[in-house]
Amino acid sequence: DQQVKQNSPSLSVQEGRISILNCDYTNSMFDYFLWYKKYPAEGPTFLISISSIKDKNEDGRFTVFLNKSAKHLSLHIVPSQPGDSAVYFCAAATSGSRLTFGEGTQLTVNP
Amino acid sequence: DADVTQTPRNRITKTGKRIMLECSQTKGHDRMYWYRQDPGLGLRLIYYSFDVKDINKGEISDGYSVSRQAQAKFSLSLESAIPNQTALYFCATSAGLAGLQETQYFGPGTRLLVL
Repeated sequence: DQQVKQNSPSLSVQEGRISILNCDYTNSMFDYFLWYKKYPAEGPTFLISISSIKDKNEDGRFTVFLNKSAKHLSLHIVPSQPGDSAVYFCAAATSGSRLTFGEGTQLTVNP
Repeated sequence: DADVTQTPRNRITKTGKRIMLECSQTKGHDRMYWYRQDPGLGLRLIYYSFDVKDINKGEISDGYSVSRQAQAKFSLSLESAIPNQTALYFCATSAGLAGLQETQYFGPGTRLLVL
């Protein structure tokens, strides 16, 4: 039972354009959501998070949107840069519990 | 220096062999985790430990065991390795702040190939 799903295995965008990565979840008890970025030969690194009491959180070029009614999470990167090329994982948890990860989306930003 | 380190970084072993992956952290975190990553499956939790005396199974613990030797050390063992345990293994830590949502911090990973 995959409670967190990233339906797009890959995404390709042009430098300077917006990248939108999507994530869906099924467990309505999840109240904390995170995005991690992973470069080859490195571990995942934390990027941005959002609590279920919010619908948007912004950090520089990165914005996460949460639509609780649709159980949908998205990460917007604008403007996209070649250095953003990586695998992006979304993750979800209930308070104080362990994280459940999605399958990951490979983002490629073309110069 | 890296806050979460894993050794070895790469390992090739044969079916039936016992192998241990080690994780150390200098973040002072109470909670430690072991995950495996497979293509198309994301990160799946193998075992986790909320303190030195606490060990819990994750979603895919069969064929694995762990030992929490100290707050800073958490090792993963494959008692008798099999080819479908070929994967990328990650250790992670978190602060364990009661009642609060928290971020996990990952090591660089160990690439394991079981022949």
